[in-house]
Amino acid sequence: SYVLTQPPSVSVAPGKTATLTCGGNNIESQSVHWYQQKPGQAPVMVLYDDSARPSGIPERFSGSKSGNTATLTINRVEVGDEADYFCQVWDGASDQTVFGGGTRLTAL
Amino acid sequence: QVHLVQSGGGVVQPGRSLRLSCVASGFDFSIYGMHWVRQVAGRRLEWVAVISFEGSNEYYADSVQGRFTISRDNSKNTVHLQMSSLRRDDTGVYYCAKDGTDYNYMYSFDHWGQGSQVTVSS
Repeated sequence: SYVLTQPPSVSVAPGKTATLTCGGNNIESQSVHWYQQKPGQAPVMVLYDDSARPSGIPERFSGSKSGNTATLTINRVEVGDEADYFCQVWDGASDQTVFGGGTRLTAL
Repeated sequence: QVHLVQSGGGVVQPGRSLRLSCVASGFDFSIYGMHWVRQVAGRRLEWVAVISFEGSNEYYADSVQGRFTISRDNSKNTVHLQMSSLRRDDTGVYYCAKDGTDYNYMYSFDHWGQGSQVTVSS
């Protein structure tokens, strides 16, 4: 089955840039979606189709892919960006929807 | 503004049944696929089921196939998840979620309900 690998945690100082990675075999051929989840809340989509932002998501959030890695970049990190971030794809080969294990972003 | 309001959930004994419901508003419910996604072990997200916009097609995760049934009523903007033969490892928070693509389901989730806790325990 398809597997997405995310680092468990990332720490960044407020105002700096956070880079969150999502590794998967040949992920370049997949459409990658990203979700933000704050404690006690439901997930919120922050990027879809690799790099598109839903309405209301700040331009500070951007996405890219290269090789076996998709990346969510958050510029000028704010304390309010602290959350768990999950990547997700639908793998057509296995007909499975797969989520990464999530990365906890801490702004300190 | 899209809203997905869930009801149901609770504590249930292994082998028993439970039904979750999700009422949608703020968009044309009848043209979007709807999903159920659960969060287990405190953090891991797992897709559970999808139903097509008109209700004619349903797909399930292997872990719930044959035990769970997704359904919808487009006249009431509601999607349900009927869970039977519940097991301890079904414990988690269950979310309904709207597919991001109309007239199809592309397995991206652009809006989520608030979540319903399901605890399977004797």
